[in-house]
Amino acid sequence: AQKVTQAQTEISVVEKEDVTLDCVYETRDTTYYLFWYKQPPSGELVFLIRRNSFDEQNEISGRYSWNFQKSTSSFNFTITASQVVDSAVYFCALSEARGGAQKLVFGQGTRLTINP
Amino acid sequence: ETGVTQTPRHLVMGMTNKKSLKCEQHLGHNAMYWYKQSAKKPLELMFVYSLEERVENNSVPSRFSPECPNSSHLFLHLHTLQPEDSALYLCASSPGPGLLSYEQYFGPGTRLTVT
Repeated sequence: AQKVTQAQTEISVVEKEDVTLDCVYETRDTTYYLFWYKQPPSGELVFLIRRNSFDEQNEISGRYSWNFQKSTSSFNFTITASQVVDSAVYFCALSEARGGAQKLVFGQGTRLTINP
Repeated sequence: ETGVTQTPRHLVMGMTNKKSLKCEQHLGHNAMYWYKQSAKKPLELMFVYSLEERVENNSVPSRFSPECPNSSHLFLHLHTLQPEDSALYLCASSPGPGLLSYEQYFGPGTRLTVT
């Protein structure tokens, strides 16, 4: 069965610190996709990034970067020079096809608090 | 309206009431989803519809009844709920069907409280 584990339940750092959110996944599929979502206090999940299983290049988008390592089944997310607006719950997810539609398996989420 | 909208945003209902949650997507997508988010289980998939056909019912109790009249609208009919059903109910859509690569777009959710 597919599984996503985010071992860090809560992280609290001071503004401008770098912070890394861990994500470990389990799957028997050879083709799969991984995602990160952000859920601010308003409740709506916001898509951040998608990565497919054949592309292990790291990606950087502004202060955000992602490290995908297939050998360790990990897809970690780093925020550089964190800001108060980064405070949110972050979810890692793995996609699988079920019955003709995509299904996302989510991790438990990591609540990130950036203190001023 | 753009993206995925949900109404109402907040709902308080008694255990004997019947109510419905509504979701509408303005993205031209073919797949729609209902999720339940509570403190105990952060994000649980409840139902998946692909091209208006239900393709997943994730062992959800019958007091939750989904309806997808067309690819843009999704409803969740609620009746005789229990206090433990209090949660944030999120709707999502994706281009679908059967495409692993597309992200899902989420609505803001309905905060449900069962008294």
